[in-house]
Amino acid sequence: GAVVSQHPSRVICKSGTSVKIECRSLDFQATTMFWYRQFPKQSLMLMATSNEGSKATYEQGVEKDKFLINHASLTLSTLTVTSAHPEDSSFYICSAREVLAGKVTQHFGDGTRLSIL
Amino acid sequence: GENVEQHPSTLSVQEGDSAVIKCTYSDSASNYFPWYKQELGKRPQLIIDIRSNVGEKKDQRIAVTLNKTAKHFSLHITETQPEDSAVYFCAPKRAPGGGNKLTFGTGTQLKVEL
Repeated sequence: GAVVSQHPSRVICKSGTSVKIECRSLDFQATTMFWYRQFPKQSLMLMATSNEGSKATYEQGVEKDKFLINHASLTLSTLTVTSAHPEDSSFYICSAREVLAGKVTQHFGDGTRLSIL
Repeated sequence: GENVEQHPSTLSVQEGDSAVIKCTYSDSASNYFPWYKQELGKRPQLIIDIRSNVGEKKDQRIAVTLNKTAKHFSLHITETQPEDSAVYFCAPKRAPGGGNKLTFGTGTQLKVEL
């Protein structure tokens, strides 16, 4: 079945470091991918919608210069957290939208736990 | 934007009992209503969904009921087992339009006790 690979699964780094997270659709093409952030014991909050070949659409309150999204191919979207600080520590999850025979399905990655020291 | 709330926020049941979680949403144009199960530190997994032209759907021990007029839908789990313990999220969506975005509810922590 359709699989989304998210890498890395865990990152621990110092404050001020930039961190890149990759989201790949392994056996389908995804023109649209989504990036979510989840703080402990809270819900998944949509950060942005990543569109292949065009600029990402950011949700209200999410800084586009802080969270850089690149969707350069139909199978890969990347999220870069620039100059990360402790308050950026969170669980980041991507999902990829698959359209097959008219049916739309969102497939989630396994998430990336980001810890900023 | 869509306002999605779940009740209760935590639910503790004895093994074998039933559990019901309610999701209330604000966007009357929502027409797709899924439920996700998320275990600690893992991805959310779709467990059941329903579309607006259907009032109820059942899959073994899991069912979802929809009341579009009142703008709420519920997850029903019967004969609960310890492995049902997880956080459950509803995520109503408007389609087409709405940017295909899922808006996740506030979440319900279900604990099934032996």
